[in-house]
Amino acid sequence: GENVEQHPSTLSVQEGDSAVIKCTYSDSASNYFPWYKQELGKRPQLIIDIRSNVGEKKDQRIAVTLNKTAKHFSLHITETQPEDSAVYFCAASIGGSQGNLIFGKGTKLSVKP
Amino acid sequence: KAGVTQTPRYLIKTRGQQVTLSCSPISGHRSVSWYQQTPGQGLQFLFEYFSETQRNKGNFPGRFSGRQFSNSRSEMNVSTLELGDSALYLCASSFPGQRTDTQYFGPGTRLTVL
Repeated sequence: GENVEQHPSTLSVQEGDSAVIKCTYSDSASNYFPWYKQELGKRPQLIIDIRSNVGEKKDQRIAVTLNKTAKHFSLHITETQPEDSAVYFCAASIGGSQGNLIFGKGTKLSVKP
Repeated sequence: KAGVTQTPRYLIKTRGQQVTLSCSPISGHRSVSWYQQTPGQGLQFLFEYFSETQRNKGNFPGRFSGRQFSNSRSEMNVSTLELGDSALYLCASSFPGQRTDTQYFGPGTRLTVL
């Protein structure tokens, strides 16, 4: 079946450093790739997304890159802060339908002050 | 706008029972997707409803079912509960058709099966 692989599963960085999380997907029809942040006991919150017709998107300290040929997309967080500590999930739409997302297993990011 | 709401927030059931969870989407949103979140399997897609019709379905047994009403509110039902059904059940709503049809998640219903 279709799947999304996410690496690393845990990531620990010093405050101010950059963090990179990588995902690969298998469905060549996927055209929408959101990233969600989930703090303990809270709902997943969308932090950034990218569509298949774009190679890169930035929003302040957060950026996402997409390589459709390699079926690979990445999340980059610069100047990390302790409040960035959370679990991050990547996702890909299945069969082009954006109501059906398949998620990676998540990356637990810890930012040490 | 008010966010996605889910009721109840917590539920304890015993094996063999059935349960119904409710999701109210953001006003104007017509698509509701359901996900199961567990520590071992992560976030897994259950099904999606749009305009009262199931549009997509994940790989879950037939014990898991859902429906959507004309006001876009959605319910999911799990019959003959098993211990492995213990999970956080999340729904997400979106407004398909627009360029930014992002999925917005509700707070979830924490189901514990004893």
